[in-house]
Amino acid sequence: QKEVEQDPGPLSVPEGAIVSLNCTYSNSAFQYFMWYRQYSRKGPELLMYTYSSGNKEDGRFTAQVDKSSKYISLFIRDSQPSDSATYLCAMSVEETSGSRLTFGEGTQLTVNP
Amino acid sequence: GAVVSQHPSWVICKSGTSVKIECRSLDFQATTMFWYRQFPKQSLMLMATSNEGSKATYEQGVEKDKFLINHASLTLSTLTVTSAHPEDSSFYICSAGGQPSYGYTFGSGTRLTVV
Repeated sequence: QKEVEQDPGPLSVPEGAIVSLNCTYSNSAFQYFMWYRQYSRKGPELLMYTYSSGNKEDGRFTAQVDKSSKYISLFIRDSQPSDSATYLCAMSVEETSGSRLTFGEGTQLTVNP
Repeated sequence: GAVVSQHPSWVICKSGTSVKIECRSLDFQATTMFWYRQFPKQSLMLMATSNEGSKATYEQGVEKDKFLINHASLTLSTLTVTSAHPEDSSFYICSAGGQPSYGYTFGSGTRLTVV
């Protein structure tokens, strides 16, 4: 069983739709939960991070973490064609000598104008 | 913000040759850098953790003699793919940063094609 599971999609939505992306995980020791956006043939860029359970909002993006269910989500409101990309969840256990990120498979999102 | 520069962005090499990929932190010092490999439509798989001034720590299943990592300074880590084969063709990405892990910055990646 993978430590982090993410539906790879692809997911196609019309412009303006609300997008919901999700990941589940098995390692209860994970402390930080991140969402990255990756455009084709580029490195990932951090969208949001959350420490422990709860919600976090940044503009059109909302990240949710439910540690009791080992389930995290990213919501995108009023989706735009420029949001078309692959979205990766990642998690980590903080270590003093460099923390390893464990990534989900990534969900490919297309927002159609 | 923190910037990580990765070069080259793409490279084509002949089977049997070696290729070096550089990862530089431009505006900060990185005691730890990470190297990932990503196949098409798949996630990032950690290959190794590179610590400045010491030997890299490789993930299980990664051949350390094939993927040579050198982290000689606080701003530069290199990955050398030795005796490259077509199955080594992939997208290689580095990241760097300090604690906590959400602060890591990723390079733009290197697409390696071995022919």
